[in-house]
Amino acid sequence: GQNIDQPTEMTATEGAIVQINCTYQTSGFNGLFWYQQHAGEAPTFLSYNVLDGLEEKGRFSSFLSRSKGYSYLLLKELQMKDSASYLCAVSVSGAGSYQLTFGKGTKLSVIP
Amino acid sequence: EAEVAQSPRYKITEKSQAVAFWCDPISGHATLYWYRQILGQGPELLVQFQDESVVDDSQLPKDRFSAERLKGVDSTLKIQPAELGDSAMYLCASSPHPGTSRYNEQFFGPGTRLTVL
Repeated sequence: GQNIDQPTEMTATEGAIVQINCTYQTSGFNGLFWYQQHAGEAPTFLSYNVLDGLEEKGRFSSFLSRSKGYSYLLLKELQMKDSASYLCAVSVSGAGSYQLTFGKGTKLSVIP
Repeated sequence: EAEVAQSPRYKITEKSQAVAFWCDPISGHATLYWYRQILGQGPELLVQFQDESVVDDSQLPKDRFSAERLKGVDSTLKIQPAELGDSAMYLCASSPHPGTSRYNEQFFGPGTRLTVL
């Protein structure tokens, strides 16, 4: 089975930097996704890592270490609209198909 | 950009009643997923289709839930009878055919918020 851990809640100040960590144990690893989900809305894609290292996309960056089963999402220059849940999801492959297993999400509150 | 469509957006029902949710994936996407998301939790996979075939329904409570994708395009998820514990967001997602670009990324619809009274 899959096991994904991430903090339940975090609070950060507008304009600051926040790092959301995710650890996982899985077999058939095929990459790691980060999704953003505002309250009552569907998850939306933020980033994808399949190789070790840092992927940067504007204010958002994501890092992966496959040997450590570890990833983080880095949000810079926080804005109030970044208040949302951030879901870490591991892609696993098997029998020609792919599935995502999600963590429970980290609820980020950005305060003035 | 094309989107996954779901209806209804909200559904309130009484326990023991039947409910049905509909999903239309992005055109050309071969794989379709139904998830259940309880408030404060991550989405949990209920069933996965590849075209019209079920790939994985191991987490689907088959005594009350059913899902179909008859022509390999849109899909329906049904609950009969609904129970109080079924109150949740039901999300549909789709992804391109394996071997194509972004094959393992899932694109989510807006979800159906179900409340069982």
